[in-house]
Amino acid sequence: AAGVIQSPRHLIKEKRETATLKCYPIPRHDTVYWYQQGPGQDPQFLISFYEKMQSDKGSIPDRFSAQQFSDYHSELNMSSLELGDSALYFCASSSRGRQGAAETQYFGPGTRLLVL
Amino acid sequence: AQSVTQPDIHITVSEGASLELRCNYSYGATPYLFWYVQSPGQGLQLLLKYFSGDTLVQGIKGFEAEFKRSQSSFNLRKPSVHWSDAAEYFCAVAEYGNKLVFGAGTILRVKS
Repeated sequence: AAGVIQSPRHLIKEKRETATLKCYPIPRHDTVYWYQQGPGQDPQFLISFYEKMQSDKGSIPDRFSAQQFSDYHSELNMSSLELGDSALYFCASSSRGRQGAAETQYFGPGTRLLVL
Repeated sequence: AQSVTQPDIHITVSEGASLELRCNYSYGATPYLFWYVQSPGQGLQLLLKYFSGDTLVQGIKGFEAEFKRSQSSFNLRKPSVHWSDAAEYFCAVAEYGNKLVFGAGTILRVKS
């Protein structure tokens, strides 16, 4: 079965540079979530999109932005990178049914970002 | 705000022994609960989930979990652990399909 695809899988950047992470959800999934997992920490929710509109926002720095495109893939744009941004960034996708219904999020393999 | 507590940071069990990983949540309404497993450097794989109905849910790889509303718990169990089960396990809660709130994780070590 098709899974969530994330690219790149690894990324090395210098401080103050920019990075773009991409996420391709499972086919027919309309909702995308982004999470950040620091070393030895649990994943923290950043932002989510449903039908190309931002649906929820967590502890995402102002230096980060994201969007979901017409083909439902999503991109997380990170600017003015800091050492503390080094982490594993996960994308998850789900299929939202009726409003308020439970969803199951399926995670991609993650993008490991290292800021030097 | 919702929160999830996994009281055990590390657990070591012998191969073939039974396993129970604890998870407690704080949430006003009926929660949607999940267990995910993460191998080193890998993504999060869904083991099982509870939305409603039977409070004992079966998952993949021989895992099961029991939802106990009175104890606000959703403990993960496996009757016989295999060396390949060594990984980090995360309990998570979601509200109406929105963001997941994760516990701090429990690292499982399996000794032969």
